[in-house]
Amino acid sequence: SAVISQKPSRDICQRGTSLTIQCQVDSQVTMMFWYRQQPGQSLTLIATANQGSEATYESGFVIDKFPISRPNLTFSTLTVSNMSPEDSSIYLCSVGQGNNQPQHFGDGTRLSIL
Amino acid sequence: ILNVEQSPQSLHVQEGDSTNFTCSFPSSNFYALHWYRWETAKSPEALFVMTLNGDEKKKGRISATLNTKEGYSYLYIKGSQPEDSATYLCAHRGGNQFYFGTGTSLTVIP
Repeated sequence: SAVISQKPSRDICQRGTSLTIQCQVDSQVTMMFWYRQQPGQSLTLIATANQGSEATYESGFVIDKFPISRPNLTFSTLTVSNMSPEDSSIYLCSVGQGNNQPQHFGDGTRLSIL
Repeated sequence: ILNVEQSPQSLHVQEGDSTNFTCSFPSSNFYALHWYRWETAKSPEALFVMTLNGDEKKKGRISATLNTKEGYSYLYIKGSQPEDSATYLCAHRGGNQFYFGTGTSLTVIP
């Protein structure tokens, strides 16, 4: 299975700032995803990162708030912009090779906003 | 069922006990049902991907069944061990949407 390196592993940020999370995979993968888990909530898909084109966002998530890059098949970034305390969550990237294949996750970024 | 629901939300069992929990999901437009184990401070680990009604899968002491017609899956753990303590997540892929449940948090008491 793919080895996924996600960083930072955790951060504490000030309100109004932005943070970029990186996800590096050790092999080329078709699908990369970004998730968020707010305290007490389920793991929620933010967007699918598409190589060479704009990400596909789920309902309730917009590019201005969560810009995503995917310059190649092994790397993606998620930026959390203009952060507020409600953005305090665990953010996870994952990779998959198809709907019927398991997803493999990074270790997550634990983000707290003061 | 419009969303993925898991029950119970949390569970405490004694070492050696067997246990099971439930994942309910929309029965229409079904593609696949995933189970993951998420230990604290680690990444979610894939356990099973199930696609066919009546599927049964097994990995060591953990097994799962799938009923796509009624929209549920059971996860069983036989002879629970402290290292089984984790949150168990199921995820339903239907159409273009992929939804996770809130998980069942299992604590195995030595």
